[in-house]
Amino acid sequence: DGGITQSPKYLFRKEGQNVTLSCEQNLNHDAMYWYRQDPGQGLRLIYYSQIVNDFQKGDIAEGYSVSREKKESFPLTVTSAQKNPTAFYLCASSTQTDNYEQYFGPGTRLTVT
Amino acid sequence: RKEVEQDPGPFNVPEGATVAFNCTYSNSASQSFFWYRQDCRKEPKLLMSVYSSGNEDGRFTAQLNRASQYISLLIRDSKLSDSATYLCVVNWSGGSYIPTFGRGTSLIVHP
Repeated sequence: DGGITQSPKYLFRKEGQNVTLSCEQNLNHDAMYWYRQDPGQGLRLIYYSQIVNDFQKGDIAEGYSVSREKKESFPLTVTSAQKNPTAFYLCASSTQTDNYEQYFGPGTRLTVT
Repeated sequence: RKEVEQDPGPFNVPEGATVAFNCTYSNSASQSFFWYRQDCRKEPKLLMSVYSSGNEDGRFTAQLNRASQYISLLIRDSKLSDSATYLCVVNWSGGSYIPTFGRGTSLIVHP
């Protein structure tokens, strides 16, 4: 089955540690995105990539980093510079033609203490 | 800044009711529009795209008004299972299609 996977589903880290969230898709989509969602809030764009080896900052990129070495994979690293890292992180992908509708992975819930 | 605005609700309706949500957007160059449904602590799932001519999928009808820059979602004969948050998404082209999400409208359908 085609889809987007994110792992792990829940992640716990101590303050000051970097952590990498995984996102993989087998939909053959060119574009991939990372969002952050806080309780009762909308989705905020962290980074996006429209092609392999290229990515752009979204609205809240500070304290995060990404790579796009393969079409299928777009990992997100939450660095110790991110001041409030505890959140629900969602990865999405979309085509770059037709209607550009996005499909989401199940998310990773990160808790930093 | 390009904005997408939604009434956060909650909309609290009885089963069988008809309920409508609106979403306004600020960028007239917007190209594509969607409604997503998000259940508590889950990922958003595509409910339907919104086309200029309007479109219907069962009990759900989506409309686009480009002149007034809003889209709407109508749910007829509400079911308990319709309880969720409904997110409006607008894409615009500035060399790339970058989606902007509204903050969502919460719907609670009660018996």
